[in-house]
Amino acid sequence: KNQVEQSPQSLIILEGKNCTLQCNYTVSPFSNLRWYKQDTGRGPVSLTIMTFSENTKSNGRYTATLDADTKQSSLHITASQLSDSASYICVVTMKTSYDKVIFGPGTSLSVIP
Amino acid sequence: DGGITQSPKYLFRKEGQNVTLSCEQNLNHDAMYWYRQDPGQGLRLIYYSQIVNDFQKGDIAEGYSVSREKKESFPLTVTSAQKNPTAFYLCASSIVTPGELFFGEGSRLTVL
Repeated sequence: KNQVEQSPQSLIILEGKNCTLQCNYTVSPFSNLRWYKQDTGRGPVSLTIMTFSENTKSNGRYTATLDADTKQSSLHITASQLSDSASYICVVTMKTSYDKVIFGPGTSLSVIP
Repeated sequence: DGGITQSPKYLFRKEGQNVTLSCEQNLNHDAMYWYRQDPGQGLRLIYYSQIVNDFQKGDIAEGYSVSREKKESFPLTVTSAQKNPTAFYLCASSIVTPGELFFGEGSRLTVL
């Protein structure tokens, strides 16, 4: 079954600290993987996209990694800020005749002062 | 600014009533989508449309209906046949199917 799992389910960190969120998927055939940030009560916003050949991609303080062999991705947040408090959603796109998008359940991050 | 506008932001309805959620985009995107978000679960696809006057059922289409009469608009009707309609509904669009999804701000529906 094509699934996307994320860990941890929730995380609390102190402002200024780093953290890493994990995404494991069983989706096949794989097309690409995106990380979205969703503020409470808002729509998700894309942070990064990674294709099969990419290992690392950065967007400011956000760095995503992809290991297509083990089907794992991570999102590393450096020097966290209060505004990083949000849900982070891993999304994997299948390479099918019409391309299917599968969403993970998200990791809820709370950054406290 | 270009974007996706959903309305209303909050909606309450009584059991047995149909409600329609509005979704308008000015990004000139061909594809539009409706997702449902429940706590602890990933977004689930209700309906999507790749072109005007055409739409396809997603994974959880039962109890919902849509129309795509204009490129900019993709309204979702939650009918009385939907057994558990209380949820956060997200509309999205993309240039191609699929591509990067651009989401609206969401509509929270509560059935009393």
